[in-house]
Amino acid sequence: QVQLVQSGAEVKKPGASVKVSCKVSGYTLTELSMHWVRQAPGKGLEWMGGFDPEDGETIYAQKFQGRVTMTEDTSTDTAYMELSSLRSEDTAVYYCATDGLRLWGQGTLVTVSS
Amino acid sequence: DVVMTQSPLSLPVTLGQPASISCRSSQSLVYSDGNTYLNWFQQRPGQSPRRLIYKVSNRDSGVPDRFSGSGSGTDFTLKISRVEAEDVGVYYCMQGTHWPPSFGQGTKVEIK
Repeated sequence: QVQLVQSGAEVKKPGASVKVSCKVSGYTLTELSMHWVRQAPGKGLEWMGGFDPEDGETIYAQKFQGRVTMTEDTSTDTAYMELSSLRSEDTAVYYCATDGLRLWGQGTLVTVSS
Repeated sequence: DVVMTQSPLSLPVTLGQPASISCRSSQSLVYSDGNTYLNWFQQRPGQSPRRLIYKVSNRDSGVPDRFSGSGSGTDFTLKISRVEAEDVGVYYCMQGTHWPPSFGQGTKVEIK
């Protein structure tokens, strides 16, 4: 059974970067297309980026272009999402999700505050 | 980008009664392979989203059969035949046909 376990909550200052991890178990990362979705407090779901198997590359939402980087470490079956130049509006729960978004991590709260 | 519009945004329902949520896309969601990649998600308070329905009408494993999805092209519907207390939460449609994938605004289902 595939499980996604994310890293713990983070508190960052404006302008800093955050790197959230998503550890896959029960499957190998190379067999999965990983996506990242975020949810600001009291708001809806926002797709940030993900692997497009048809193009064989990671696609980022235009809103995050230049600020987000999604990577994978296949040796540890861990996916990462790094967001830079943080601002208060980036305060949100960040989720990894895969298998057509059938499977989700538990979420990681990132708080951006001075 | 494809815009997904849900209605209503708030849906008070009586236990045991049916509920219906509409989702419209700004362009057809039929992909070149003939499939329509329209999903429905449930998010209970304090939990991660859970996929209920994929490709318009296919229920995920473990999803009660009181949930059903229908529609085609640009108009889609999620129905709950008889609402139970555990169905309280926010429901989202999401299209995966056109990149980037996009979600609807969410519909909050609550018990009257």
